[in-house]
Parts: sequence; structure tokens; C-alpha cells
Amino acid sequence: GENVEQHPSTLSVQEGDSAVIKCTYSDSASNYFPWYKQELGKRPQLIIDIRSNVGEKKDQRIAVTLNKTAKHFSLHITETQPEDSAVYFCAATYNQGGKLIFGQGTELSVKP
Amino acid sequence: DADVTQTPRNRITKTGKRIMLECSQTKGHDRMYWYRQDPGLGLRLIYYSFDVKDINKGEISDGYSVSRQAQAKFSLSLESAIPNQTALYFCATRTAGNTEAFFGQGTRLTVV
Repeated sequence: GENVEQHPSTLSVQEGDSAVIKCTYSDSASNYFPWYKQELGKRPQLIIDIRSNVGEKKDQRIAVTLNKTAKHFSLHITETQPEDSAVYFCAATYNQGGKLIFGQGTELSVKP
Repeated sequence: DADVTQTPRNRITKTGKRIMLECSQTKGHDRMYWYRQDPGLGLRLIYYSFDVKDINKGEISDGYSVSRQAQAKFSLSLESAIPNQTALYFCATRTAGNTEAFFGQGTRLTVV
């Protein structure tokens, strides 16, 4: 079925360390993979996305990698800061791009 | 600024009552979505709509119904609310293609 699995559910790192969150998806036809950040009490907001025709995309301290053969993609945050503490969601599209399915979320805590 | 607006922001209702959550957007997007957020379960898709005449069930549509009154308005109804429908509900909008989803502020619903 249409599914996105996300791991880990919680992640605690020291400030300055790197954080990696991994997701797998079930449909080889999926071709759009966004990542959202949700700060406490706020709405989710897009931080980075990747399309299936590229393997990696980087934006300052965050990067996303995509392995279409294995059907998984990952979010990498380097030099973490306390303000990176939030819940992060991965997602994938189904039904010709119209259906957007999210993973279960990862609560990232960056300790000063 | 163009935005996605949800009403009400908070609601407490009794078991068995009918309740409607409303979403309106000024972004001019054709696609609209309803999600519910529960701790540890992420954002689960309830219904989504490509346009006024095209409405689709999501992962967890049982106990919910929707109405797309206009391109800019998408309402979610709980015909007979039950306590396990207590959750944070988000509306989101997108344009066609591999595009960013924009979320409303959320509606916190409590069923007692």
C-alpha cells in the first residue's frame, strides 16, 4: 500500500553534532519527497525537497539524499543548533503526485 | 499575504455531536487536504481534493466527511464525534505538480 516509514521517532544530539533522519516509501512511482519542520505550537513548514531526477540536494546546513533503487531518502542536518529542535516530517507523493503521505515524525532535541 | 485559514482554532464538543471544521485559502491553489496529527502517528491524511468536483479518501476517512464548496473552501465534518477523534487537525493546500504544501494554523479538537 501507500506508506512512508520514518525513523527514529526521537533523536537527541549535542549542539554542533550532526543529525540524520531516514524514511522509506512504498511506491516506485513516487517522484517528490519533501521535508517539513514543525516547531512547538506551530504549523509544519517546508525546509527542503527533492525530486526523483536528482540524488542529493543541499541548502546550507541541511541536505537530503535519495536512493530510488532502495526507495529511501534521508535528511542530514550538520552543525546542529538549539533552534533546530522541532518535529521533522518526511513525505512522499502518490496518485500521480496528488496524494501527499507523511511519515510518523521525528522529534529532534539539540542540547546546548 | 496569501494564507490558509482554519476555523475554529480550538473546539471542545460532546460525544455524538456533529461538528464542522472549516478551511479557506487565498493562495489560489487547486488542491486541498485535511490531516490529523496525533503524537507518534505523524500527519495522517483524511481526505484530499484536486478541485471542486474531485474528492478522494485518504488513509483514515472513516467517521469523517468533506465538502469542497468552492476552490477556496474545504470543510471537514464529524457526523457523530467520538473521543478518539480528539486530535490536532490541519488543512493544507498545493498547486498541481511537485510543489510545496502550505498548512493552516491547525484546529485543536477535543471530544468529551
